[in-house]
Amino acid sequence: GNSVTQMEGPVTLSEEAFLTINCTYTATGYPSLFWYVQYPGEGLQLLLKATKADDKGSNKGFEATYRKETTSFHLEKGSVQVSDSAVYFCALRVLWGNTPLVFGKGTRLSVIA
Amino acid sequence: AAGVIQSPRHLIKEKRETATLKCYPIPRHDTVYWYQQGPGQDPQFLISFYEKMQSDKGSIPDRFSAQQFSDYHSELNMSSLELGDSALYFCASSLIAGQETQYFGPGTRLLVL
Repeated sequence: GNSVTQMEGPVTLSEEAFLTINCTYTATGYPSLFWYVQYPGEGLQLLLKATKADDKGSNKGFEATYRKETTSFHLEKGSVQVSDSAVYFCALRVLWGNTPLVFGKGTRLSVIA
Repeated sequence: AAGVIQSPRHLIKEKRETATLKCYPIPRHDTVYWYQQGPGQDPQFLISFYEKMQSDKGSIPDRFSAQQFSDYHSELNMSSLELGDSALYFCASSLIAGQETQYFGPGTRLLVL
């Protein structure tokens, strides 16, 4: 089946530190990969995506590269801010028709000043 | 840009009562998905509709039903509510013909007492 495994949190970093949140996946076929972010008390927002191997998704200073050989889609940011504190979900979707997203368990990030 | 609209945003019900959640997708999106997110959990797929027909089914209890109407809005009907149904319910929409990205609404927070 399809599944996503991401590193457990919580992750606590100081402002301007480097962030990596690991995400690996198992999928039948060739999935699209996503990172969604959930700020406290809010819904899910798409952060970035990649649809094929070696694609790099980027947004708001965050990046993730679709690595087919390691079945990974790690999220990185060079310098985090307090406003980045949120829960980050890695997700995949196998592309035929309108299949649902499969989410990882989420990683809570806290950035302290 | 228009986003996914969900109503109500908050709902409090007693055990064994019924609840109806509504979702209005992004204009021209033809696919709607429902997800349930328990406290501290990742979103779990419940059910989806494409062009008013059910297209996929996940872990939706038999006590729940859903449909998509001619104007593409969707309703999730929940009966015989249990304490464990307390969760955040997300609706997402996508355009099957073009994008694989699902855009999420802000969610309905349901509390069953």
